[in-house]
Amino acid sequence: DQQVKQNSPSLSVQEGRISILNCDYTNSMFDYFLWYKKYPAEGPTFLISISSIKDKNEDGRFTVFLNKSAKHLSLHIVPSQPGDSAVYFCAASAKFNYGGSQGNLIFGKGTKLSVKP
Amino acid sequence: EAQVTQNPRYLITVTGKKLTVTCSQNMNHEYMSWYRQDPGLGLRQIYYSMNVEVTDKGDVPEGYKVSRKEKRNFPLILESPSPNQTSLYFCASRALEVGANVLTFGAGSRLTVL
Repeated sequence: DQQVKQNSPSLSVQEGRISILNCDYTNSMFDYFLWYKKYPAEGPTFLISISSIKDKNEDGRFTVFLNKSAKHLSLHIVPSQPGDSAVYFCAASAKFNYGGSQGNLIFGKGTKLSVKP
Repeated sequence: EAQVTQNPRYLITVTGKKLTVTCSQNMNHEYMSWYRQDPGLGLRQIYYSMNVEVTDKGDVPEGYKVSRKEKRNFPLILESPSPNQTSLYFCASRALEVGANVLTFGAGSRLTVL
């Protein structure tokens, strides 16, 4: 069963507006969450992360929000730019030993963001 | 430059012909992992390694082998490739200290099995 879910396969946003990408998780042992961005013909690159001891982390135009009670996190991009068009993967891990796979990242299926000029 | 290097980047092969995808990292990372990306399925882990001579299965290990004889290299071996192994493969690595969960990915290897 999927432990990390990105229920929106795609999202289209106008340049300058806010992009909100959502991610849900089921495993309460997860305590570290990351967002990766992937352009075609390239490997995923790390974008931003958040530890479960926080509910918000900001880096420039990118902010990740974590709602532990709802097991939900979201990535906000403000303002969105055409260069942000990519597939965004949400990932989660448990820092300590869990099922013998300490720190293994579990990825969602990804959301393809298109930012239109 | 810190990087993960995969080869080949593109490969077309036929069913049953053994192949190896190499992966090398220059960051002295203990942890290395292989993922495959398929449409609608996202990134799924094939195998991972916590250090030299220590490997373990991920979510989709069937049909694959790995080895970790040196810290920098983590080759993915397909002994008898089949068409359902047509996919985009990524190698990744990271350090193992607590909190260092940021994986660095290679550029990917697109494999087609006819």
